[in-house]
Amino acid sequence: DADVTQTPRNRITKTGKRIMLECSQTKGHDRMYWYRQDPGLGLRLIYYSFDVKDINKGEISDGYSVSRQAQAKFSLSLESAIPNQTALYFCATGKEGPETQYFGPGTRLLVL
Amino acid sequence: TQLLEQSPQFLSIQEGENLTVYCNSSSVFSSLQWYRQEPGEGPVLLVTVVTGGEVKKLKRLTFQFGDARKDSSLHITAAQPGDTGLYLCAGDRGSTLGRLYFGRGTQLTVWP
Repeated sequence: DADVTQTPRNRITKTGKRIMLECSQTKGHDRMYWYRQDPGLGLRLIYYSFDVKDINKGEISDGYSVSRQAQAKFSLSLESAIPNQTALYFCATGKEGPETQYFGPGTRLLVL
Repeated sequence: TQLLEQSPQFLSIQEGENLTVYCNSSSVFSSLQWYRQEPGEGPVLLVTVVTGGEVKKLKRLTFQFGDARKDSSLHITAAQPGDTGLYLCAGDRGSTLGRLYFGRGTQLTVWP
């Protein structure tokens, strides 16, 4: 079984709709992350969390929100989706000593 | 401004050739990781280097961390079609807890 799972794997939605992407992990890591990947731009950090009560903005948090429901679950919401949020979204877990991250398989999102 | 610059952005070679991918920065990193990403999947960790001048080998892949811990290289000997993928470097600055800074990636295609 995969250590980091993401649902859904693919999603098509319309402009203005609210959608949620979910991430679950069995690695037992406290740290969890949400990234988006666009061609030519690499991975950009949206939000990250070091425990259930700790949420931090990344470099591109505008238009997104997150919820850390439990150590193993971290969800990303787009409150009102817009076309330029079309991208590949990755959830990751992380551990220190040295910093290492483990990625889920990704969610491909298309906003029409 | 990208903290880690990768070059080249694209690399297309024939099976059996050697290649080197570079990851450069003006900043010092506590550690540096290399990931490989295949289509439809999340990045997978290949190696972590933590000591300036460190060299690690993974079969036909050789990773080097610069003496000043500002840069790294990935060398592949006798490339094979199975090496095809997006190679990402990521650095831990140490001062920014739990964050990794990713380069934009090198897309490698190895033709049979």
